[in-house]
Amino acid sequence: GAVVSQHPSRVICKSGTSVKIECRSLDFQATTMFWYRQFPKQSLMLMATSNEGSKATYEQGVEKDKFLINHASLTLSTLTVTSAHPEDSSFYICSALSLAGANYEQYFGPGTRLTVT
Amino acid sequence: QKEVEQNSGPLSVPEGAIASLNCTYSDRGSQSFFWYRQYSGKSPELIMSIYSNGDKEDGRFTAQLNKASQYVSLLIRDSQPSDSATYLCAVNIASGNQFYFGTGTSLTVIP
Repeated sequence: GAVVSQHPSRVICKSGTSVKIECRSLDFQATTMFWYRQFPKQSLMLMATSNEGSKATYEQGVEKDKFLINHASLTLSTLTVTSAHPEDSSFYICSALSLAGANYEQYFGPGTRLTVT
Repeated sequence: QKEVEQNSGPLSVPEGAIASLNCTYSDRGSQSFFWYRQYSGKSPELIMSIYSNGDKEDGRFTAQLNKASQYVSLLIRDSQPSDSATYLCAVNIASGNQFYFGTGTSLTVIP
């Protein structure tokens, strides 16, 4: 299967600072990547859809000015959590679409655990 | 009505038994169907994809798709304790970038 990496895997930051998370497709090009957030024992929650070369599409209730997404190349999307607060502490997971024949398959990165103190 | 529905469980089976996980979806235009496994504290991992009616086997895993009844299932044969995880069903509508996930079924395999 296709491989997606994320960096960093774990980050601790102080309240009010910004954190950037990188998501890379390692062995394929991805015009579309997704960003999810998952709180403990809860379901995946889609935050936004990131398309290469265009603005991200945010899900209802997700603040686009707080969660900045940039998808500047076919292998890299970044999520910046601006002015982070303790309630932003969560597990952030990216995924990328890989074309398998005539169908798209979604592959996930290993996730980034963010703790805001 | 949710796009994809799964029984949240928990589902418990003894080691060596068959675990059966089920998923229903609402959009008849759905074209691609996936099963992901998510261990606690980890991200989801794609374990099966199925695109046409019938069965698809991969090792101990068999995915079954019935588009007329709008359900997809995952059978795990000879269940092992290492299969204990949450299994997510996902559906892709119209082969675009819209994927819908179920809330997952928690499976515990008892040694």
